[in-house]
Amino acid sequence: GQQLNQSPQSMFIQEGEDVSMNCTSSSIFNTWLWYKQEPGEGPVLLIALYKAGELTSNGRLTAQFGITRKDSFLNISASIPSDVGIYFCAGRQAGTALIFGKGTTLSVSS
Amino acid sequence: KAGVTQTPRYLIKTRGQQVTLSCSPISGHRSVSWYQQTPGQGLQFLFEYFSETQRNKGNFPGRFSGRQFSNSRSEMNVSTLELGDSALYLCASSPGTGGINQPQHFGDGTRLSIL
Repeated sequence: GQQLNQSPQSMFIQEGEDVSMNCTSSSIFNTWLWYKQEPGEGPVLLIALYKAGELTSNGRLTAQFGITRKDSFLNISASIPSDVGIYFCAGRQAGTALIFGKGTTLSVSS
Repeated sequence: KAGVTQTPRYLIKTRGQQVTLSCSPISGHRSVSWYQQTPGQGLQFLFEYFSETQRNKGNFPGRFSGRQFSNSRSEMNVSTLELGDSALYLCASSPGTGGINQPQHFGDGTRLSIL
């Protein structure tokens, strides 16, 4: 099925560093969502975006809905060990199912 | 507020068998979606139900089916299991009203292993 292009596939960073990841699509979306999944658990919603250009923060996390409506970005500032996990973007057109990226695996060393 | 509950958490079956997985959505949520998650394909959409009606369907064979009950609880069934059906099956719920693009909240999944 159709999937979003999410990059990078994996990241290995030091505690305290900032992290950036993004998703792109050939289709226009009217919703972008970012989830985090840890081993043995389901994805947990981090941030939801509904308007082109929208910038939303959740603690140290900030996500943006691209103005072309074909991309979205997630930034994590001052990473800590508990940020470890797989981060997924998901996009949705009106009335259709969510489409997920393949995820960015984040590793943080202290 | 209780989250999305999926049962069972783990299941082992053999090829050719059939299986039924259960999902109880967040109280008040009327939309339930099912996903298959595998290392190679990531999260793939199976189907979405709202008010006991299938609203969207992904590209899976007819062996995969689902239903939703009047209390919004949902089940999915996979018949004639194949080795490739081994995966984590995730259920997600959302209010389903007041805007079709409300975010979905996931359960912890059922890990299905086919021997």
